[in-house]
Amino acid sequence: AQTVTQSQPEMSVQEAETVTLSCTYDTSESNYYLFWYKQPPSRQMILVIRQEAYKQQNATENRFSVNFQKAAKSFSLKISDSQLGDTAMYFCAFMKQYGGATNKLIFGTGTLLAVQP
Amino acid sequence: DTEVTQTPKHLVMGMTNKKSLKCEQHMGHRAMYWYKQKAKKPPELMFVYSYEKLSINESVPSRFSPECPNSSLLNLHLHALQPEDSALYLCASSQGQGSSYNEQFFGPGTRLTVL
Repeated sequence: AQTVTQSQPEMSVQEAETVTLSCTYDTSESNYYLFWYKQPPSRQMILVIRQEAYKQQNATENRFSVNFQKAAKSFSLKISDSQLGDTAMYFCAFMKQYGGATNKLIFGTGTLLAVQP
Repeated sequence: DTEVTQTPKHLVMGMTNKKSLKCEQHMGHRAMYWYKQKAKKPPELMFVYSYEKLSINESVPSRFSPECPNSSLLNLHLHALQPEDSALYLCASSQGQGSSYNEQFFGPGTRLTVL
């Protein structure tokens, strides 16, 4: 069975600074996807970034980037130039490849990030 | 249209009431999901429908009854709920079978309070 661990329940960062959120996972699968979801106080779960396990290059989306270490089963999220709108709960998630509709998203416990003005 | 909509946004109900939550998507997705989320916790999967057929039921109590009238709509019928069922209920959809990448798109959720 797959597990996802987020060891930082809460974090705080000053506006315009950089912050890194940690995520580790455990799986015996070779092909899978990893995701970071953001859930602001408005409750909408928004996909921030995804990483295909077969790709060595780390994914980036504007101010968001990941450090994917497949051998170490580590998938951290770096947020550069933090903005007040980045304040949210961040969930790391895992999904097997080719699982179809019954392919479950396995979530970590979340990290609550507060961006301070 | 890359949106999943849910109604109502908020719902307050008594333990003897019957109510329904609704979810709709127009992305041509063939899989739809119901999740329950408690405050500061990750979403917990309840049900998965694939091609309008129930494919996963995560041992959810029978007071929750899902329904998928067509590929765009997903309902969750509620009856005789308990106060501990108060939570955010999220709907999601994805392409479904045949796709190597099954990204789930989430709706904004319904905040349910059971008195």
